[in-house]
Amino acid sequence: NAGVTQTPKFRVLKTGQSMTLLCAQDMNHEYMYWYRQDPGMGLRLIHYSVGEGTTAKGEVPDGYNVSRLKKQNFLLGLESAAPSQTSVYFCASTPNPWDEQFFGPGTRLTVL
Amino acid sequence: RKEVEQDPGPFNVPEGATVAFNCTYSNSASQSFFWYRQDCRKEPKLLMSVYSSGNEDGRFTAQLNRASQYISLLIRDSKLSDSATYLCVVNGGDSNYQLIWGAGTKLIIKP
Repeated sequence: NAGVTQTPKFRVLKTGQSMTLLCAQDMNHEYMYWYRQDPGMGLRLIHYSVGEGTTAKGEVPDGYNVSRLKKQNFLLGLESAAPSQTSVYFCASTPNPWDEQFFGPGTRLTVL
Repeated sequence: RKEVEQDPGPFNVPEGATVAFNCTYSNSASQSFFWYRQDCRKEPKLLMSVYSSGNEDGRFTAQLNRASQYISLLIRDSKLSDSATYLCVVNGGDSNYQLIWGAGTKLIIKP
């Protein structure tokens, strides 16, 4: 099992560009999450999904969109990147919300 | 007030010593509690869940105090490999789908 994978691992964007981050898990987990992590701050939830075809907003959803068309994939989109979106993005999945979350290796995004 | 608060450290501790961290949380409805470990530039990984009666896993002991709304992590006989950031995590209470993450406590074990 690969667990949770994320692509790409690194990306540099210019302000206003768009991109999609892909998260894939092979553990048949229902719940998937997108977080961002900034220096000195805890992980902040951007969006999450409680099952295929469902998505919901987290703590910091503005400027991001998500889709969960297939159970194993959770996509995070930035329509018009801003320097404030420079961060490390982590995807996680779990079989139940009260259980351990399994994380991907992260995507380091820089917006110039 | 932050929902989950931790002392950021760093805690500089000699190898073999015992070190303890506390974490306070604000939502009295929270039901699930965890300690995660995060190595530099890596993803968080579960260290241990925290149960009401307290629990131990080898050199690690976790305690929960619901009355005072804090959880603690004790590391005995610390190893160089324990150097990491320790993240305190609680569930959101009214929204069980979400976890609230502390900013972490950095631990540095010195030889």
